[in-house]
Amino acid sequence: GEDVEQSLFLSVREGDSSVINCTYTDSSSTYLYWYKQEPGAGLQLLTYIFSNMDMKQDQRLTVLLNKKDKHLSLRIADTQTGDSAIYFCAPRRGYSTLTFGKGTMLLVSP
Amino acid sequence: DVKVTQSSRYLVKRTGEKVFLECVQDMDHENMFWYRQDPGLGLRLIYFSYDVKMKEKGDIPEGYSVSREKKERFSLILESASTNQTSMYLCASSPRGSSTYEQYFGPGTRLTVT
Repeated sequence: GEDVEQSLFLSVREGDSSVINCTYTDSSSTYLYWYKQEPGAGLQLLTYIFSNMDMKQDQRLTVLLNKKDKHLSLRIADTQTGDSAIYFCAPRRGYSTLTFGKGTMLLVSP
Repeated sequence: DVKVTQSSRYLVKRTGEKVFLECVQDMDHENMFWYRQDPGLGLRLIYFSYDVKMKEKGDIPEGYSVSREKKERFSLILESASTNQTSMYLCASSPRGSSTYEQYFGPGTRLTVT
């Protein structure tokens, strides 16, 4: 099955940029998603990228996709304390299921 | 707004008990999913359903079963709860035919089996 790897922890200062990286194994993934989970809550979709794109920008979020290396990254510009959460990379597999990485805990300090 | 609700936020059960976790969505979505979330392991898919009365095994179905009698409701059943099923359980739904197949998640049920 698909393997999705993420670093487990990232700490940044408020105002800095954060970059969360993800590698995956299934080259047939057509959509790749980033989800955010705040403490005590379910997951919410942050953004996604289609596999024929290299980059997608959405306000403070930039997603980069390197299909050759099967590498996905999420950049958050001007990181705020409210961005502290767990971030999951999730390539789509099959018809409608997703494979989730273990999640990266982002801690933003003032 | 899409809403996915789960019957309990916290649940404590004893080993051997039969446990029902309920999930309801109000957006007429065809697809529904059950995951468990454990520290260091991320989310793992237990079961999913494409339609009423249909179910498919996910990656870790052992020890679980599901029921989908109505489109809006998807139940996860632990026939005989064990301590290794202590976990956070997340339900999600998504529409069929969506261009993005976004999944919408409920707030989760933290189950403790003692």
